[in-house]
Amino acid sequence: AQSVTQPDIHITVSEGASLELRCNYSYGATPYLFWYVQSPGQGLQLLLKYFSGDTLVQGIKGFEAEFKRSQSSFNLRKPSVHWSDAAEYFCAVARRDNTDKLIFGTGTRLQVFP
Amino acid sequence: EPEVTQTPSHQVTQMGQEVILRCVPISNHLYFYWYRQILGQKVEFLVSFYNNEISEKSEIFDDQFSVERPDGSNFTLKIRSTKLEDSAMYFCASGTSSRIADTQYFGPGTRLTVL
Repeated sequence: AQSVTQPDIHITVSEGASLELRCNYSYGATPYLFWYVQSPGQGLQLLLKYFSGDTLVQGIKGFEAEFKRSQSSFNLRKPSVHWSDAAEYFCAVARRDNTDKLIFGTGTRLQVFP
Repeated sequence: EPEVTQTPSHQVTQMGQEVILRCVPISNHLYFYWYRQILGQKVEFLVSFYNNEISEKSEIFDDQFSVERPDGSNFTLKIRSTKLEDSAMYFCASGTSSRIADTQYFGPGTRLTVL
């Protein structure tokens, strides 16, 4: 069955530190890959997406993610975290066969200490 | 920047009652979606809607659920007879014509509590 795994439920970092949020997927073929962020009281906002081409994808707010086919991973990174990055982060995938259904991971809650 | 809006932000209802959750998608979008997130669990796809009909639905979306675009601006999710397990955050999303190749824009969600 198709699945998305975010192994870290909760991560705490200091402001200015680097960040990596992990995402692994289980699919028959490489899906479309997405990262969304949800701030308190807000909807899910798209940070970045991977469809094809360069496996290092740049997104908004200084985030990037790297697709690694051999590891079935799409980890999200940021070199220097800001206090405003505290939020819930969701990895999501979608099949390439004419579906518009996103399949989400369980999310990682990021806490940032000053 | 245009946004997807949802009302109400929180709905409390008694088991067995009907609820209607409302969404106003971004005005030029053609594809509409509902997802839900039970507390502590994954965000789950419920249904997608295009050209006034359901284009895809999950196994969660049974006969108790229905969607409608009654007036060209609102997009609603109706639950006919709510169960305790329907308690969740319900997210509406909308997108442009390219389906999954394009971005789905999400609303802030409606928290449904069934007592």
